[in-house]
Amino acid sequence: ILNVEQSPQSLHVQEGDSTNFTCSFPSSNFYALHWYRWETAKSPEALFVMTLNGDEKKKGRISATLNTKEGYSYLYIKGSQPEDSATYLCAFIVDRGSTLGRLYFGRGTQLTVWP
Amino acid sequence: DTEVTQTPKHLVMGMTNKKSLKCEQHMGHRAMYWYKQKAKKPPELMFVYSYEKLSINESVPSRFSPECPNSSLLNLHLHALQPEDSALYLCASSQLGLRTDTQYFGPGTRLTVL
Repeated sequence: ILNVEQSPQSLHVQEGDSTNFTCSFPSSNFYALHWYRWETAKSPEALFVMTLNGDEKKKGRISATLNTKEGYSYLYIKGSQPEDSATYLCAFIVDRGSTLGRLYFGRGTQLTVWP
Repeated sequence: DTEVTQTPKHLVMGMTNKKSLKCEQHMGHRAMYWYKQKAKKPPELMFVYSYEKLSINESVPSRFSPECPNSSLLNLHLHALQPEDSALYLCASSQLGLRTDTQYFGPGTRLTVL
């Protein structure tokens, strides 16, 4: 079982604040990292798939960076809005064994944005 | 359309019951997945089907029996479950099952075993 850690566990911010959280994963045997956004009672929604060290991805006000050598990824949200309230999950894919997409998830960071 | 549908949304069953969970996608994806999420824990992979063949079974007990009748449909047959099997069961699909493919998730079936 691979250990994927996310911090903080929960975060409460005011509308307009920018925020960031961390996903830590084993730096050896890295293949890819996936980020998901999961609103209560909805389907997890894919945000990014990251593969290369130094990768930066952006989708609207959300961006992510990747450091495979030290085993972490940051997710940033600029100018948080109440509709950004969700749990943000990262999932690690290891470079060994099956070539199929076996995701190892972290527990997620639960973000609440207050108006 | 990037929708994965799952039925039922909620299911309550006794330990002697037999029930099935259903998952459907019409994106032409050739890989489909079952995940299980217990309370306060991350989702954990159970099974992967690739081109309608079972490719990964993460040592799941035989009381869970997956089936992929065609490329759009994935079932999970449940029999003689235990209360500790109560969880959210998520289905996902991806284009080819590659490790960099985005996995598209359904909303899940909330299962309670009495």
